[in-house]
Amino acid sequence: QVQLVQSGAEVKKPGASVKVSCKASGYTFTGYYIHWVRQAPGQRLEWMGWINPNSGGTNYAQKFQGRVTMTKDTSISTAYMELSSLRSDDTAVYFCARGGYNSGWYAGGFFDYWGQGTLVTVSS
Amino acid sequence: QSALTQPASVSGSPGQSITISCTGTSSDVGSFNLVSWYQQHPGKAPKLMIYEDSKRPSGVSNRFSGSKSGNTASLTISGLQAEDEADYYCCSYAGSSTYVFGTGTTVTVL
Repeated sequence: QVQLVQSGAEVKKPGASVKVSCKASGYTFTGYYIHWVRQAPGQRLEWMGWINPNSGGTNYAQKFQGRVTMTKDTSISTAYMELSSLRSDDTAVYFCARGGYNSGWYAGGFFDYWGQGTLVTVSS
Repeated sequence: QSALTQPASVSGSPGQSITISCTGTSSDVGSFNLVSWYQQHPGKAPKLMIYEDSKRPSGVSNRFSGSKSGNTASLTISGLQAEDEADYYCCSYAGSSTYVFGTGTTVTVL
């Protein structure tokens, strides 16, 4: 069965960086886009961007351009999201999610499987 | 990219039907047949309920249905059950390989 398993909770100081991992299993990792979505406490879901695990191509939401980097390691079927210059308002649960289309249409079209989420707390 | 607009809360009694709206623009909801809906229980990851405006993934109850007219998409839950109490989010493709989520709606079963 398809599973996305994320790394554990992190506590970071303002100005630091955080790198969250998302290990995929149960399907061909290179066949589907991986998206990252975050949710601040009590707030809505916010789309951050995607990575194409086959080509390594990425696309980021304008809000995060310059601060986010999405990478992958195909050998271990794992995607990563690194966010730098952390601020207190980056405190959130970060989710990875699989794009639904295996053709890559529209970078996935929808999000059919999700990781369990990783809480990142930014505090001095 | 502005968030899609959803009502903050919707409520209904068991067995009733409720509808959640999701209003976007001609650049997102109105331009593509790529609205999806997600159910999220507290402390849990979102779950896909509807994709491509109105398609239901395998395993999702047929009490959930989606539709769209112009720039507004809708999720209808019929035969409301206690387990349907959760937050619901719409999401739309917004062009240039980007996505935008809605503001979220809390469904309460009275």
